[in-house]
Amino acid sequence: ETGVTQTPRHLVMGMTNKKSLKCEQHLGHNAMYWYKQSAKKPLELMFVYSLEERVENNSVPSRFSPECPNSSHLFLHLHTLQPEDSALYLCASSQDPQGAYEQYFGPGTRLTVT
Amino acid sequence: AQKVTQAQTEISVVEKEDVTLDCVYETRDTTYYLFWYKQPPSGELVFLIRRNSFDEQNEISGRYSWNFQKSTSSFNFTITASQVVDSAVYFCALRAHSGGYQKVTFGTGTKLQVIP
Repeated sequence: ETGVTQTPRHLVMGMTNKKSLKCEQHLGHNAMYWYKQSAKKPLELMFVYSLEERVENNSVPSRFSPECPNSSHLFLHLHTLQPEDSALYLCASSQDPQGAYEQYFGPGTRLTVT
Repeated sequence: AQKVTQAQTEISVVEKEDVTLDCVYETRDTTYYLFWYKQPPSGELVFLIRRNSFDEQNEISGRYSWNFQKSTSSFNFTITASQVVDSAVYFCALRAHSGGYQKVTFGTGTKLQVIP
């Protein structure tokens, strides 16, 4: 069973492109998250949505724009990215908006910015 | 402020050996939650265990066991009789009550390689 799915799995884009990452959770959870994972760095929390409302934005540059149309779907819109934005982008969900319960992660989107 | 330290960057063991992954955390809160996740080469983090600060009872699940010691602020993870499929990066994480809404702090991970 795949509780959290992400598409695409791999993405190569130029700095002037616009693309979107998609995440879908099939677990009936109330909270969804975007993380950035770069080599040799801890996971960086980017955004948190609880019941479709953004509740945390960790000083993420405006070239990253999240969207949560409903509790099952989460998007990350990308535009005019920089090479240092190349990373694995992970989506996660949890049942508890307060974050006390475990998170379930998708397989990630490997993003390369050229 | 909250912090998670996984001092072991990489560990290599031969199959069937036991291995312990260390996790030391820092928080000023009395209520907090600790987690371990496994990230195999496929990339997806897999939840392994959650422990709250009021439950110091150690846990065993098959070949996995966890030792939670509040006195030393540690939450170590032991794999008994390691197998090649255990090869992955393992992350320890902390959710403190005052760490900010929904904020979970992850350690930098320990890469475990089990050699056949």
